[in-house]
Amino acid sequence: DAGVTQSPTHLIKTRGQHVTLRCSPISGHKSVSWYQQVLGQGPQFIFQYYEKEERGRGNFPDRFSARQFPNYSSELNVNALLLGDSALYLCASSYQGHTEAFFGQGTRLTVV
Amino acid sequence: AQSVTQPDIHITVSEGASLELRCNYSYGATPYLFWYVQSPGQGLQLLLKYFSGDTLVQGIKGFEAEFKRSQSSFNLRKPSVHWSDAAEYFCGDSSYKLIFGSGTRLLVRP
Repeated sequence: DAGVTQSPTHLIKTRGQHVTLRCSPISGHKSVSWYQQVLGQGPQFIFQYYEKEERGRGNFPDRFSARQFPNYSSELNVNALLLGDSALYLCASSYQGHTEAFFGQGTRLTVV
Repeated sequence: AQSVTQPDIHITVSEGASLELRCNYSYGATPYLFWYVQSPGQGLQLLLKYFSGDTLVQGIKGFEAEFKRSQSSFNLRKPSVHWSDAAEYFCGDSSYKLIFGSGTRLLVRP
């Protein structure tokens, strides 16, 4: 079985641009969560989706948005990029909200 | 508020020595606790989990963790550390949403 897949693996964007990150969960998993991990810190919770509905939102500005599709894949969108948005963005999938989460390899976003 | 605390930023142990990484949680009568490991530039790999039942849980790679409700702790242990265990370790709690501590970086001396 394929694990959690994220695309792209690396991305370089300019300040003010928009970015879309994609995530495909493990087959059968209905919950997808997104995390931002700045170098040297723990993953910070951004969003959780379950059955295509937002179930949780972390302390991030409205420039961050996400959605989950009928096939349970998900997109994370970030508008008006700032230098401080440079980070590793991790996607995790789980069968339900409380069960163990499995992580993708992440997308390394660099904003210049 | 839900929070996870890992009080040790760095820990250095000699290869073959025992290891204990500390974790404290602050939310929920029924915590759902995890330990993950992360190698540089990689995603997080699940080591073990605790939902209920036996408070001593076994994980992969020879790791174990003990849940102590009275101390709100879920410490990770390994009897004999290998050089390949050098990595960043994160404790997580999904009682409300899955959140993590700030991590403990493990360094292993030859």
